Amino acid sequence: AQTVTQSQPEMSVQEAETVTLSCTYDTSESNYYLFWYKQPPSRQMILVIRQEAYKQQNATENRFSVNFQKAAKSFSLKISDSQLGDTAMYFCAFMRPDMRFGAGTRLTVKP
Amino acid sequence: GAVVSQHPSWVICKSGTSVKIECRSLDFQATTMFWYRQFPKQSLMLMATSNEGSKATYEQGVEKDKFLINHASLTLSTLTVTSAHPEDSSFYICSAGTSFSYNEQFFGPGTRLTVL
Repeated sequence: AQTVTQSQPEMSVQEAETVTLSCTYDTSESNYYLFWYKQPPSRQMILVIRQEAYKQQNATENRFSVNFQKAAKSFSLKISDSQLGDTAMYFCAFMRPDMRFGAGTRLTVKP
Repeated sequence: GAVVSQHPSWVICKSGTSVKIECRSLDFQATTMFWYRQFPKQSLMLMATSNEGSKATYEQGVEKDKFLINHASLTLSTLTVTSAHPEDSSFYICSAGTSFSYNEQFFGPGTRLTVL
């Protein structure tokens, strides 16, 4: 069974600083997709970044980047130059093709 | 593109009544749709997977007679909560997968159900 673990229930960061959210997962599959989703107070799920397991290069999307360590089954999200609008719940997810989500990390960006 | 809508966005009903939630893919054909439930301050939990024209596959612990899922067309899936009880109050989210983007799901905005 695939499981996704986010060990940081809450985090905070000062505006303009960098923060890293952790995620580990467990799977026996060799190719798969990993995602980070943002859920603001509106509760709409917003795709932040996606990583395909067979691609060794870490995905980046503007201020968001991942550190994908396949052997360690680790998939952390780095947010650079944090903005107030980044305040939200962040979910790590494994696609198989249905999504399995971690418990989430509540990120607060402080002015 | 790849927009998914849900209707209603929120609903309040009395205990014992049934409630239907619609999930529509507006600009693409959804070969597969997924239904999730999210309790306050918790993560999304998959309830069931449905493919157009087929019976839904339910996750363990989800009562299929209580949560009826119909995926009658490539653009519409419905979730009916039958004989709703207060413990069914939750946030229900659907997502859709397509044949052209097999590595992504598109999420609806969710439906907040409150059972009195």
